[in-house]
Amino acid sequence: KQEVTQIPAALSVPEGENLVLNCSFTDSAIYNLQWFRQDPGKGLTSLLLIQSSQREQTSGRLNASLDKSSGRSTLYIAASQPGDSATYLCAVDTDKLIFGTGTRLQVFP
Amino acid sequence: SAVISQKPSRDICQRGTSLTIQCQVDSQVTMMFWYRQQPGQSLTLIATANQGSEATYESGFVIDKFPISRPNLTFSTLTVSNMSPEDSSIYLCSVEVVDRVDTQYFGPGTRLTVL
Repeated sequence: KQEVTQIPAALSVPEGENLVLNCSFTDSAIYNLQWFRQDPGKGLTSLLLIQSSQREQTSGRLNASLDKSSGRSTLYIAASQPGDSATYLCAVDTDKLIFGTGTRLQVFP
Repeated sequence: SAVISQKPSRDICQRGTSLTIQCQVDSQVTMMFWYRQQPGQSLTLIATANQGSEATYESGFVIDKFPISRPNLTFSTLTVSNMSPEDSSIYLCSVEVVDRVDTQYFGPGTRLTVL
């Protein structure tokens, strides 16, 4: 059974810091891995999708890496801003999406 | 992409009653899904809403408790039946679109509190 774990569960940092959020999964048989952002009352927004054959994806200040063999992904946020405050979820696609429990990020001015 | 709306956005209900949540998409989609997010937990897939046929439920979820309709390609409903406080969760609708089958787009969610 696929299990997805995210560490840390919560993170509070001052503006400008570079951050690393971690995601691990137990079964490497995945089609892809996605990182989502969840804002209260606004559902989920897809940030980055990494296909199983890829190693990383970048979008603006965000960079996500995937090491399928070790069952790990990281989301790197450069120069964090208060607007980055949200819950970040990773999900692996194995015919259905299996989500981690998320990392709640707070960036303070 | 797809723009998804859900109604209601939130509700407070009494034990034993039922609530129907609506999901409307602004374009035709291939797949529609319903998820539950219990307090402090990750999202869990309830079922896949199939157009013109019965929904496909995940382990631990049954049609009597969570009946789902999908009368067309842009609309679906999820009913939470005979509610108990344990049903207090956020319920989210998501879709896959024709040109981005790898990506799911999520609605804003319905926050349900059962007293």
